[in-house]
Amino acid sequence: GQQLNQSPQSMFIQEGEDVSMNCTSSSIFNTWLWYKQDPGEGPVLLIALYKAGELTSNGRLTAQFGITRKDSFLNISASIPSDVGIYFCAGQSGNTPLVFGKGTRLSVIA
Amino acid sequence: DGGITQSPKYLFRKEGQNVTLSCEQNLNHDAMYWYRQDPGQGLRLIYYSQIVNDFQKGDIAEGYSVSREKKESFPLTVTSAQKNPTAFYLCASRSGGVAYEQYFGPGTRLTVT
Repeated sequence: GQQLNQSPQSMFIQEGEDVSMNCTSSSIFNTWLWYKQDPGEGPVLLIALYKAGELTSNGRLTAQFGITRKDSFLNISASIPSDVGIYFCAGQSGNTPLVFGKGTRLSVIA
Repeated sequence: DGGITQSPKYLFRKEGQNVTLSCEQNLNHDAMYWYRQDPGQGLRLIYYSQIVNDFQKGDIAEGYSVSREKKESFPLTVTSAQKNPTAFYLCASRSGGVAYEQYFGPGTRLTVT
């Protein structure tokens, strides 16, 4: 099945630093979603985006729906230890199921 | 509380046995999904159902079966035909509205030996 290109695959950052990750696709999507997964748990929905160019924040998290509708970005400001986890992007169009990226594993060094 | 329930959290089976994983939601969502996640890997779609009494195969349906007799329930059976059944299984659901928001359950870790 189709997958999104999510990068970076993993990143190690110092506490307090800002984080950026992105997803790109060869297909146009109508919806972009960002999830965070803690070890042994189900992914938790962080942000949902529905319109090209849309910029949405959720606390220290900000996500953008790319203007071409083929990409999306997630930024985390002033990272803290509990930001550790795997972040997944997902895109959707028409009446088809979500297409997921392979995830970005974030590690925060205190 | 509203949400998605998967039980049990951990499940152990012997090779050659069928096993059924439970997924229940009280969110009144129309669509439900099953995913498989292997260590360090992303999410792969097994089956999904957009309405009661109807379901479609996902990307890796071989060796699995589902039913959708009730809106709130979408059980997954891992059959003995599934060659590598040990994995983390995630159930999800979403409403049928314009806003596409899909929510996940806590997952079931299945170990087959």
